[in-house]
Amino acid sequence: DAKTTQPTSMDCAEGRAANLPCNHSTISGNEYVYWYRQIHSQGPQYIIHGLKNNETNEMASLIITEDRKSSTLILPHATLRDTAVYYCIDPGAGNMLTFGGGTRLMVKP
Amino acid sequence: DTAVSQTPKYLVTQMGNDKSIKCEQNLGHDTMYWYKQDSKKFLKIMFSYNNKELIINETVPNRFSPKSPDKAHLNLHINSLELGDSAVYFCASSQVQLATEAFFGQGTRLTVV
Repeated sequence: DAKTTQPTSMDCAEGRAANLPCNHSTISGNEYVYWYRQIHSQGPQYIIHGLKNNETNEMASLIITEDRKSSTLILPHATLRDTAVYYCIDPGAGNMLTFGGGTRLMVKP
Repeated sequence: DTAVSQTPKYLVTQMGNDKSIKCEQNLGHDTMYWYKQDSKKFLKIMFSYNNKELIINETVPNRFSPKSPDKAHLNLHINSLELGDSAVYFCASSQVQLATEAFFGQGTRLTVV
């Protein structure tokens, strides 16, 4: 079972930043948090992962709180093609990608 | 070149039949996975497999079996198909047994009638 909590859905205006929160209060000290997304009718796509420090790549930024109990995925300039379900994952000791319900992000013109 | 490819993309079959879904990855990864996404859109892991270890989700019926002829392939065999097996099945791969960047195929939509 997924060990993270995310809002079911969010809307974002095109061109604005999309901030997607995730609670992972049971994450262990040496476990990474991973973010994936699934665009309609496609396979999940890796976005980013982090341990303690904030991370940034060409797709997104990841802000992790100091206590590591929550994180926020930031899409700095959302486009219509970013409409997808976004999954925050705590793999746990078994190191398995277990997907929860995710957040359905709708980017609107 | 597609990193993780599955065939077929669509599969319609009758109850009771036996079918296979093929998966190939050209990334040189050591670990491959099968996931099932049901009508409610929840993605559930079915198997994790590398050349040393098969990890089976205990909820998966034994009618489902992964078969790996080599490191680049992990096929999914399903015996005695049931209506409830209808779903989209995704293959994925990652480097070693780590939940790092995993690459997913485009999915196989299985419909059992």
